[in-house]
Amino acid sequence: GEKVEQHESTLSVREGDSAVINCTYTDTASSYFPWYKQEAGKSLHFVIDIRSNVDRKQSQRLIVLLDKKAKRFSLHITATQPEDSAIYFCAASMNTNTGKLTFGDGTVLTVKP
Amino acid sequence: EAAVTQSPRNKVTVTGGNVTLSCRQTNSHNYMYWYRQDTGHGLRLIHYSYGAGNLQIGDVPDGYKATRTTQEDFFLLLELASPSQTSLYFCASSDQGAETLYFGSGTRLTVL
Repeated sequence: GEKVEQHESTLSVREGDSAVINCTYTDTASSYFPWYKQEAGKSLHFVIDIRSNVDRKQSQRLIVLLDKKAKRFSLHITATQPEDSAIYFCAASMNTNTGKLTFGDGTVLTVKP
Repeated sequence: EAAVTQSPRNKVTVTGGNVTLSCRQTNSHNYMYWYRQDTGHGLRLIHYSYGAGNLQIGDVPDGYKATRTTQEDFFLLLELASPSQTSLYFCASSDQGAETLYFGSGTRLTVL
């Protein structure tokens, strides 16, 4: 089955800098790649996603890049703020209709003032 | 915002005990999921469901059963709990398959 590897287990940046979290996946059939955020002591919530028919998507300060050839996708958070501090999970799905989503292990992002 | 409610918030049981974790969503979503979250393993899918009466096996189903009794309710059953099942369990629901999952607040289960 699909495996998703999240390369940075922890990441620390200064407020205002950019943060980049990288993920790779194993199955070339994967076509949907969402990101979820988990703030300390809270549940996860959806932040942004990208589908395999595009290679870049932006939502405010969040940018997702997809390199299908390398089976790699990344989350870029620009102009980071302390409230961006959280665990970020990448995920992949081969077929969104099946409902099955495989998550990476998570990256703990700390934004220092 | 979609609402997913899990109960209990915390549960302690002993090895061999019988545990039921409950999840209810009030958004008429078809898909519901049970994940466990462990340090170093991220979130792993246990079981999921497309609708009432439907069950699908996830990636780590051993030792778990699940039942989807209604559109709203999805239960996770541990009939012979083991310490390896100590974890934080999340329920989630979605309207469109793997797109935009809404997660509950989690149930922390400790098996002594």
